[in-house]
Amino acid sequence: GAGVSQTPSNKVTEKGKYVELRCDPISGHTALYWYRQSLGQGPEFLIYFQGTGAADDSGLPNDRFFAVRPEGSVSTLKIQRTERGDSAVYLCASSPTGGETQYFGPGTRLLVL
Amino acid sequence: ILNVEQSPQSLHVQEGDSTNFTCSFPSSNFYALHWYRWETAKSPEALFVMTLNGDEKKKGRISATLNTKEGYSYLYIKGSQPEDSATYLCASWGAGNNRKLIWGLGTSLAVNP
Repeated sequence: GAGVSQTPSNKVTEKGKYVELRCDPISGHTALYWYRQSLGQGPEFLIYFQGTGAADDSGLPNDRFFAVRPEGSVSTLKIQRTERGDSAVYLCASSPTGGETQYFGPGTRLLVL
Repeated sequence: ILNVEQSPQSLHVQEGDSTNFTCSFPSSNFYALHWYRWETAKSPEALFVMTLNGDEKKKGRISATLNTKEGYSYLYIKGSQPEDSATYLCASWGAGNNRKLIWGLGTSLAVNP
């Protein structure tokens, strides 16, 4: 079946702009995770959804970052007033109920100029 | 330890060499230990999910062991091949993490032909 998909695959934006990154999880997976990976680092947890609600958003670095999952399927990560330090690969993963193997999407490579 | 730590940070081996690396994780309230393989420009791919002390899992030339009492796991690759070149990540899920994986920074393996 279809895996996790993310769009766009690459995004170049200017400092101060707003961006939205989209994640389509595997159908039926209730748990959805957003991570960020900067050069030379492991995945950095951002936020975890269980269904429509954010079960843990402790990894969001500041209030410029926000994520939604209104129908418990597709999720959008929103970044306001982008900064150069936001440049990273943003990964989305889903799992059936949470805690099991996570299935990752290909990531969105964000470059803020 | 409070975080997940992996060593070495990077490793260069010759084709045919066997190699191993270490993941250390908090042993208190342990639930599961995950190993993922992440090739450049691809999504992280799940290798193993291990839960029981003394557990050993194998997938082709790759195997892993788990010691939950002392909080470590070893990943072994027998007869390394150039296609094994990737970053190997481990992540721990403990009770109270709210189903959030805590990730190590990974071991970057390069296998020279």
